[in-house]
Amino acid sequence: EAGVTQFPSHSVIEKGQTVTLRCDPISGHDNLYWYRRVMGKEIKFLLHFVKESKQDESGMPNNRFLAERTGGTYSTLKVQPAELEDSGVYFCASSQARNPYEQYFGPGTRLTVT
Amino acid sequence: KNQVEQSPQSLIILEGKNCTLQCNYTVSPFSNLRWYKQDTGRGPVSLTIMTFSENTKSNGRYTATLDADTKQSSLHITASQLSDSASYICVVSAWGGATNKLIFGTGTLLAVQP
Repeated sequence: EAGVTQFPSHSVIEKGQTVTLRCDPISGHDNLYWYRRVMGKEIKFLLHFVKESKQDESGMPNNRFLAERTGGTYSTLKVQPAELEDSGVYFCASSQARNPYEQYFGPGTRLTVT
Repeated sequence: KNQVEQSPQSLIILEGKNCTLQCNYTVSPFSNLRWYKQDTGRGPVSLTIMTFSENTKSNGRYTATLDADTKQSSLHITASQLSDSASYICVVSAWGGATNKLIFGTGTLLAVQP
């Protein structure tokens, strides 16, 4: 069974540019989560999808971040325009509806904004 | 405020030795506690999960303990191997609500040397 995959693995962009991160959850997992780890800090929750619906987006930093999960399959996280403080590692995780706490993480996308 | 604190921040041990990592949390209402292992460049992988009523859980050479009264947990690694070098993250879930977001500690960076 394929795990959670994320693309790209690394992205380096200039301040003001736009970047889109993609996450493909494990097939059949209704729950999809985005997390972020900035340098020296703990991993923090950004938002949670149940299928295509946003269940909780209380962790999204501001309106420069837009997450979508059209069709309830893969998800994208767009940052527009990117700022220096957006640098970090963005993790995606997924879980089954019947066992939501058993979250499987992807390898992360390392975003560097210069 | 829901918080998870870990100690030590980093640890160096010799191959074959044992070590114990600590986690204190103030998450309420408590649902479960997990220990994750995160290798460099990879996503976190769950080692153990414990609910309120569980005091100890083992997974091979990893043994986690939980004291729900004092809100403390530990992860004991026996007969360490070079492959144990990684970041170990304590993660606590709060009970209830529509979301299943996890609250992460900053992790303990373990280096096992030959």
